[in-house]
Amino acid sequence: GESVGLHLPTLSVQEGDNSIINCAYSNSASDYFIWYKQESGKGPQFIIDIRSNMDKRQGQRVTVLLNKTVKHLSLQIAATQPGDSAVYFCAEASPPPGRRALTFGSGTRLQVQP
Amino acid sequence: DTAVSQTPKYLVTQMGNDKSIKCEQNLGHDTMYWYKQDSKKFLKIMFSYNNKELIINETVPNRFSPKSPDKAHLNLHINSLELGDSAVYFCASSPRTGGDYTFGSGTRLTVV
Repeated sequence: GESVGLHLPTLSVQEGDNSIINCAYSNSASDYFIWYKQESGKGPQFIIDIRSNMDKRQGQRVTVLLNKTVKHLSLQIAATQPGDSAVYFCAEASPPPGRRALTFGSGTRLQVQP
Repeated sequence: DTAVSQTPKYLVTQMGNDKSIKCEQNLGHDTMYWYKQDSKKFLKIMFSYNNKELIINETVPNRFSPKSPDKAHLNLHINSLELGDSAVYFCASSPRTGGDYTFGSGTRLTVV
């Protein structure tokens, strides 16, 4: 069936470095993508989203890149901080919006070394 | 001023029991969801309600029954609990189906 998956289950980076978390999706009809951050003991928290009519979107220290040709999504975190340590999920949605819920990938754990 | 609140946060119960988890959102959203997160952190949709109407019902045992008394509340009742039901259950809401979600902090269910 359709799925959203991640290449790296765990990513370890040094504080201050940039982090890149990747995600592959298989549903070519997906038109909306979101990155979530989940800290221990908490629910997923919205980071940034992007629609399929865009290929790049920037937020505060985060950038999402979308490559529809190869169905690939990435999250870039600049100047990674210890507070960025968490599990990161990509999620996708496809039309019609009235009948589909977000489908989540399997998650990548980001560990920031001081 | 919690946006999406779930109760209880922790639930430990014996096999065969019946239990309920409650969820409330004060964001004015029309759509609410229940997700199950397993031990490997995988999040899977269970149910979705839009303005009290069930619109998504994934392959979930019929021991699980959602109830939405109004669009601000979505409760989950589980009958005859099994060991495999142990997981973290997340409630979420969105202003429209498929849009950005706001999640609750989860209910960790442990069946012993």
